[in-house]
Amino acid sequence: GQQLNQSPQSMFIQEGEDVSMNCTSSSIFNTWLWYKQDPGEGPVLLIALYKAGELTSNGRLTAQFGITRKDSFLNISASIPSDVGIYFCAGLNYGGSQGNLIFGKGTKLSVKP
Amino acid sequence: KAGVTQTPRYLIKTRGQQVTLSCSPISGHRSVSWYQQTPGQGLQFLFEYFSETQRNKGNFPGRFSGRQFSNSRSEMNVSTLELGDSALYLCASSLSVKGAPEDYGYTFGSGTRLTVV
Repeated sequence: GQQLNQSPQSMFIQEGEDVSMNCTSSSIFNTWLWYKQDPGEGPVLLIALYKAGELTSNGRLTAQFGITRKDSFLNISASIPSDVGIYFCAGLNYGGSQGNLIFGKGTKLSVKP
Repeated sequence: KAGVTQTPRYLIKTRGQQVTLSCSPISGHRSVSWYQQTPGQGLQFLFEYFSETQRNKGNFPGRFSGRQFSNSRSEMNVSTLELGDSALYLCASSLSVKGAPEDYGYTFGSGTRLTVV
């Protein structure tokens, strides 16, 4: 099925460093979502973006909806050990017959304490 | 407010058997979607139900089916299980009504881990 291109696939960082990951698509979306998934659990919504160009923060997390509507990025500032997990981007076109979430393959984040 | 509840958490089945998974959405949410997660394919959309009707369907064989009840609870069924059906099956619910886009936000359950042997 269709998937988004998410990069990097994995990253190791030192505690306190900033992290950046992004997602691109060949199709436009009217909503971008970022999720975090811990082992054995379902994805948890971190940030939702609804307008092209929108920049939204949630604590140390900041995400932006690209102006072309085909990309989004997520930044994590001053990473801490509990940031470890897999981060997924997802695109959605809502409205009418509601579409489904299209997911990236994830960015696995590992933090060295 | 209770989250999305999926049962059972773990299942082990034999090839050729069938299985039924259950999902109880957040109270008031009318849309329930199902996703399959595997290491190789990632998160793949199975189908979505809204007001007891299948509204959207992914590219999975007919062995995968679902339904939704009048209380919005949903079940998915997989018949004639194959080894490749081993996966984490996730259910997500949303308000899904026309209005603020925030109503379309999806909340996921913890999933059912299905192992086919």
